[in-house]
Amino acid sequence: GAVVSQHPSRVICKSGTSVKIECRSLDFQATTMFWYRQFPKQSLMLMATSNEGSKATYEQGVEKDKFLINHASLTLSTLTVTSAHPEDSSFYICSARPPGQANTEAFFGQGTRLTVV
Amino acid sequence: AQRVTQPEKLLSVFKGAPVELKCNYSYSGSPELFWYVQYSRQRLQLLLRHISRESIKGFTADLNKGETSFHLKKPFAQEEDSAMYYCALKRQGGKLIFGQGTELSVKP
Repeated sequence: GAVVSQHPSRVICKSGTSVKIECRSLDFQATTMFWYRQFPKQSLMLMATSNEGSKATYEQGVEKDKFLINHASLTLSTLTVTSAHPEDSSFYICSARPPGQANTEAFFGQGTRLTVV
Repeated sequence: AQRVTQPEKLLSVFKGAPVELKCNYSYSGSPELFWYVQYSRQRLQLLLRHISRESIKGFTADLNKGETSFHLKKPFAQEEDSAMYYCALKRQGGKLIFGQGTELSVKP
């Protein structure tokens, strides 16, 4: 199946700093990628839809200035958590679906564990 | 409102016992539903989708529009089935809405 890779897998940063998480589709081009947030043993909450070449679409309640999304190429989307605070500590997961196939499955990255200290 | 509900946080069964993980949804329109599984320390992966009507690893799920349910069933649970299971509904634009997840623990 298709592969989606996230980097880094784990990151610790200091309060007030920014951290960037990358999501790459390794063997297909993705015009759309999705970013989720997952708390321990809880559901995945959709944060935003990343659109190649245009602005991301954010879900209600998600601060777009806090979580900056850039989808500069067909294989890469980045999520930057700006001015991170301890409450931003979470597991961030991206997903992508090969284009032109509306009924295919979405493939998920392995996730990035962010800890803000 | 579009919503997916998994009422059980934890389901514990013994090996060989039948298992049913419940999922109910709320969606105006024709729903497209999925079950995803997350094994320990692994990424989320698709288990099955209702449009395929397939059986994967012995699991099946039938969409019941009258009861707005998509319960996941397996007649004989195995220890390797222990994982987090998420029911998901596909929204417009390909977005997935996930249920809260059910942790399945299969004891020897």
